[in-house]
Amino acid sequence: GAVVSQHPSWVICKSGTSVKIECRSLDFQATTMFWYRQFPKQSLMLMATSNEGSKATYEQGVEKDKFLINHASLTLSTLTVTSAHPEDSSFYICSATTGYGYTFGSGTRLTVV
Amino acid sequence: TQLLEQSPQFLSIQEGENLTVYCNSSSVFSSLQWYRQEPGEGPVLLVTVVTGGEVKKLKRLTFQFGDARKDSSLHITAAQPGDTGLYLCAGEVYDMRFGAGTRLTVKP
Repeated sequence: GAVVSQHPSWVICKSGTSVKIECRSLDFQATTMFWYRQFPKQSLMLMATSNEGSKATYEQGVEKDKFLINHASLTLSTLTVTSAHPEDSSFYICSATTGYGYTFGSGTRLTVV
Repeated sequence: TQLLEQSPQFLSIQEGENLTVYCNSSSVFSSLQWYRQEPGEGPVLLVTVVTGGEVKKLKRLTFQFGDARKDSSLHITAAQPGDTGLYLCAGEVYDMRFGAGTRLTVKP
């Protein structure tokens, strides 16, 4: 079946630094990928839609200059959290559409100290 | 406000009991999906329903899509501790939007 691989699984960084999260489709091509953020005991909130070869579409309230998305190939989308602050600490999850629905990565737990 | 309203938000039951989780919206969806998520992991797709009135069964889980394609329910028969998790419904309009989820705990 379709597999989406997300790395790293967890990362701890210092406030003010940048962190890159990768999302790869392993056995299919994904022209569109989605990035979600999930705070503890809450649901997934869509941050942005990543489109291969074009600019990402950000949801209202999501800072595009802070959450940089690059989708340079059909199998890789990256989310870079720039100048991270403790309030950016969250669980970030990517997903891609397949012929059978949406497949999710395993998520990245970001902790900013 | 959430596009999809899930109820109840939390549910704690004993092993062997039955339960139903609801997902409601004022919007019409082309498809609706149910996911189960365990702590520290991404959601895993359980089922997709696309036809109004559709009923799908997955072992002890029964999913129903409302006739108007605005709501859905998930019924679990004889719940087991392994059913514990966050159950999310998600509806697709232009992209996938999630409900707030129902956090189910099944006690042995």
